Amino acid sequence: GAGVSQSPRYKVAKRGQDVALRCDPISGHVSLFWYQQALGQGPEFLTYFQNEAQLDKSGLPSDRFFAERPEGSVSTLKIQRTQQEDSAVYLCASTLGGLNTGELFFGEGSRLTVL
Amino acid sequence: AQSVTQLDSQVPVFEEAPVELRCNYSSSVSVYLFWYVQYPNQGLQLLLKYLSGSTLVKGINGFEAEFNKSQTSFHLRKPSVHISDTAEYFCAVSDGSARQLTFGSGTQLTVLP
Repeated sequence: GAGVSQSPRYKVAKRGQDVALRCDPISGHVSLFWYQQALGQGPEFLTYFQNEAQLDKSGLPSDRFFAERPEGSVSTLKIQRTQQEDSAVYLCASTLGGLNTGELFFGEGSRLTVL
Repeated sequence: AQSVTQLDSQVPVFEEAPVELRCNYSSSVSVYLFWYVQYPNQGLQLLLKYLSGSTLVKGINGFEAEFNKSQTSFHLRKPSVHISDTAEYFCAVSDGSARQLTFGSGTQLTVLP
């Protein structure tokens, strides 16, 4: 597709369940980012990939969060043993080069609700 | 470390009136500055960016912003708003060397008929 695609758009999980969120970036985009957006807040950085290499994961809130991008295209964000505080919209973004090229292209997000 | 403060969480304005959405940042080094817009149930879309050069930056949909280094501000302006401009607006900063874009908490612009 022409844009960044994320799935599922909506996910409801019971506390303690594992979830996996998928991001399909724009074809050819080298850089991929994951952000977490809580209700009423701005997006907060989680992790960054350049091709298949995870170069920065300083924003991941705990070791229950794990992200991968094994072939340098599609990425998956996995959350283990979900907690209520994990409820948020998870945004994926990609860009052709590095961040200083100016524009991140965002997907529509995956809204996670943990009951 | 860098941070962004958006001083107004909500801005109501009548159609065809001018609007200014305020953004202040802090960073110890040179910065790149951005404004993104988020329409309901959509992803964030870049409105405009300041990387270098002229401090007055023009973006899409008639928006513009001015980089003021001495006041560490990057306020967004539009001389005449439309109903369709109703959305959440986010200011963001990067120091270029970091791989992170730091966002403000957002300003909800509501244009009233």
